[in-house]
Amino acid sequence: ILNVEQSPQSLHVQEGDSTNFTCSFPSSNFYALHWYRWETAKSPEALFVMTLNGDEKKKGRISATLNTKEGYSYLYIKGSQPEDSATYLCASYNNNDMRFGAGTRLTVKP
Amino acid sequence: DAGVTQSPTHLIKTRGQQVTLRCSPKSGHDTVSWYQQALGQGPQFIFQYYEEEERQRGNFPDRFSGHQFPNYSSELNVNALLLGDSALYLCASSLAGPRDTQYFGPGTRLTVL
Repeated sequence: ILNVEQSPQSLHVQEGDSTNFTCSFPSSNFYALHWYRWETAKSPEALFVMTLNGDEKKKGRISATLNTKEGYSYLYIKGSQPEDSATYLCASYNNNDMRFGAGTRLTVKP
Repeated sequence: DAGVTQSPTHLIKTRGQQVTLRCSPKSGHDTVSWYQQALGQGPQFIFQYYEEEERQRGNFPDRFSGHQFPNYSSELNVNALLLGDSALYLCASSLAGPRDTQYFGPGTRLTVL
């Protein structure tokens, strides 16, 4: 069973920069893709659940796209703010199994 | 509306002991999933409970077992603890099904000495 991979592992940007990162997942027997935001000392917070190829979702300055045929999803943050600093996790549901990536650690400098 | 709660927050055990972790789901949720997160890795799926039965299971040995009660709260039990069981254990609740948003608790940090 293939793993879920996220890149980059970490990212440092300046306040106001826009940024994006990638989640690669197995395309076979795909059912759903989840994105979470996890701030230090807090619980992971759900951002999006995506299921359809070509799906695009948006929540404020954060948006995500999904390509189920090639097995990748992009998360975009427009005009990053220091409060966006967190680890962003994706998880893919395939074959009755939920697998998480190791996350992208985003640091936004004021 | 209470979110997902877990207890205890931290726990220290020695090798060979047994541990029980507890989770109360978000109000109205009937499905509870458990995850193990080792340092530097993403959470790994242990199992999921729905209607008091284990519905799905990840690649974890039988030392890991669970239970769901009629009020949908859940327990994770780990027997014969190993050093490698040291991790953050997360509980998440949802309304049945992997297409539904999962809400996570704050986790229980287990240290095995």
